[in-house]
Amino acid sequence: AQKVTQAQTEISVVEKEDVTLDCVYETRDTTYYLFWYKQPPSGELVFLIRRNSFDEQNEISGRYSWNFQKSTSSFNFTITASQVVDSAVYFCALSEALRSNYQLIWGAGTKLIIKP
Amino acid sequence: DADVTQTPRNRITKTGKRIMLECSQTKGHDRMYWYRQDPGLGLRLIYYSFDVKDINKGEISDGYSVSRQAQAKFSLSLESAIPNQTALYFCATSELGSSYNEQFFGPGTRLTVL
Repeated sequence: AQKVTQAQTEISVVEKEDVTLDCVYETRDTTYYLFWYKQPPSGELVFLIRRNSFDEQNEISGRYSWNFQKSTSSFNFTITASQVVDSAVYFCALSEALRSNYQLIWGAGTKLIIKP
Repeated sequence: DADVTQTPRNRITKTGKRIMLECSQTKGHDRMYWYRQDPGLGLRLIYYSFDVKDINKGEISDGYSVSRQAQAKFSLSLESAIPNQTALYFCATSELGSSYNEQFFGPGTRLTVL
């Protein structure tokens, strides 16, 4: 069955440290999509990135980078030189093209605390 | 103006009361969703709709009902609210025909059932 695991419930680092949030997924589909969303303390959900199963290139956007590895079924998210504003809950999600009618399967989230 | 709006943003009610949460969108998307979020559990799908005539149960539909009044409106009802329905509720939309189903979320409704 499809599943998304974010094993890190909470991570706390000091500002300017690098931090990696792990996401491991399970799927039987060959075509699928992976997402990261950010939920700041204000509560809204902010889309960060989408990656499809055919594109294993790593992505970098400013201080954010994503490492997609099909061999380990992982889609990890790294924040470089973290800032207090990065404090939020981060969710990883999976969408399967065929089996789940494009529903999003969500991980439980990782709460990231950046201390000044 | 926000593309996906939810009303009310906060609601406190009592056990047994009927509650309706409303969602409106101006994105022109056909697909709409209702999720609830509980601490440590991520988001769980309650109901989804791919067009006005299409309503589907999600993972946790018991105790909830929905109405898709128009393409732009999707309401969630709790017929008789109970305390374990206290949660943060999100409405989301996505585009029909989108192969990747990126979803766009409303700001959330914080519901407390006493």
